[in-house]
Amino acid sequence: KQEVTQIPAALSVPEGENLVLNCSFTDSAIYNLQWFRQDPGKGLTSLLLIQSSQREQTSGRLNASLDKSSGRSTLYIAASQPGDSATYLCAAPNSGNTPLVFGKGTRLSVIA
Amino acid sequence: DAGVIQSPRHEVTEMGQEVTLRCKPISGHNSLFWYRQTMMRGLELLIYFNNNVPIDDSGMPEDRFSAKMPNASFSTLKIQPSEPRDSAVYFCASSFGGWSDGYTFGSGTRLTVV
Repeated sequence: KQEVTQIPAALSVPEGENLVLNCSFTDSAIYNLQWFRQDPGKGLTSLLLIQSSQREQTSGRLNASLDKSSGRSTLYIAASQPGDSATYLCAAPNSGNTPLVFGKGTRLSVIA
Repeated sequence: DAGVIQSPRHEVTEMGQEVTLRCKPISGHNSLFWYRQTMMRGLELLIYFNNNVPIDDSGMPEDRFSAKMPNASFSTLKIQPSEPRDSAVYFCASSFGGWSDGYTFGSGTRLTVV
């Protein structure tokens, strides 16, 4: 059964800093991996979807990488801003092409 | 597209009452998922449908929980009778063409059972 772990659980950084959020998963036979953002009291917003054939995806200041062999994904945020403060969730299928299993998330605070 | 629409946004009910949560997926999406989020357990899959057919309901915690998808544009999650430990945020998500296109989530229903 897929297990998704995110480290660290919480992170506080000064504005402007580049940062990396880590995600690991136990079953590497996945079709894709998805990163989400969740603001307090809100729903989940999809940030990036990486297919198994890809190694990375970029959207603006965000870059997500996927290494299936090691069971890891990272989300890189460049030049962080206070508006980036939120919880970031990583999710991978249970196996192959099955529903997403979520990590507990990393709560990010960017201090102005 | 209006996205995945869930109702109500908030629900406060007394223990023992029936609760019905509703979800309208994105038009054209053929997969629908119900998740529950709590501080302790994070996001957990309750049940998912593919082409309106329930595929896996092993995440449904008890027989008090039931879900239906009578057509491609509507799904319900019912709790009867409700208990305080059911208090959580319930999310609905939909996807097109299997899982490869990613999920779109609704805004969730915050359920409080007193």
